[in-house]
Amino acid sequence: NAGVMQNPRHLVRRRGQEARLRCSPMKGHSHVYWYRQLPEEGLKFMVYLQKENIIDESGMPKERFSAEFPKEGPSILRIQQVVRGDSAAYFCASSPVGVRQPQHFGDGTRLSIL
Amino acid sequence: DQQVKQNSPSLSVQEGRISILNCDYTNSMFDYFLWYKKYPAEGPTFLISISSIKDKNEDGRFTVFLNKSAKHLSLHIVPSQPGDSAVYFCAAGPRNNAGNMLTFGGGTRLMVKP
Repeated sequence: NAGVMQNPRHLVRRRGQEARLRCSPMKGHSHVYWYRQLPEEGLKFMVYLQKENIIDESGMPKERFSAEFPKEGPSILRIQQVVRGDSAAYFCASSPVGVRQPQHFGDGTRLSIL
Repeated sequence: DQQVKQNSPSLSVQEGRISILNCDYTNSMFDYFLWYKKYPAEGPTFLISISSIKDKNEDGRFTVFLNKSAKHLSLHIVPSQPGDSAVYFCAAGPRNNAGNMLTFGGGTRLMVKP
């Protein structure tokens, strides 16, 4: 499967725990994006990364959320001390270098907070 | 403040007829527009895009029209097929920048009846 891979597909956490969501971009893609979708809403941009660099994190909550895309390995979206309101579907997308390249999405991680 | 709006939450069409999905935007800095299709429990799938230098782009059964003066775009699917039943999101990207955040509309659920 050469698509964007996200894992886990489903993640259940209790309030106060940490959630780690992983994303491997498509082969040849060097740009990674994270989006969040609340029920019955569209996707909301969170963060845009390239290898070892955060390019735009204007959509990330200021506290508890962080993202990285290391030189080796997948991109990680980390949510510390989760709260009920963090329950959502988190989608990762990737694109190659170049102007106006479409972003291709993974199947998402559905995060449920008990 | 919703910069990209899809005012019809749902649309029902008979198989073989044309489906027209609409999208409006407010930010004049957008110059690249995309349509995605999303099935339940899957990520959005890229369908078709258009840049602001064009007013029409066609790919098989899918055609996107852009009216810059009205800040309006539409997706035409003809002929519609039952497998087209999904949620359709329009998205907009800003001028310049190779790879950047997309702003999504809230989606329109299309149902194609056999």
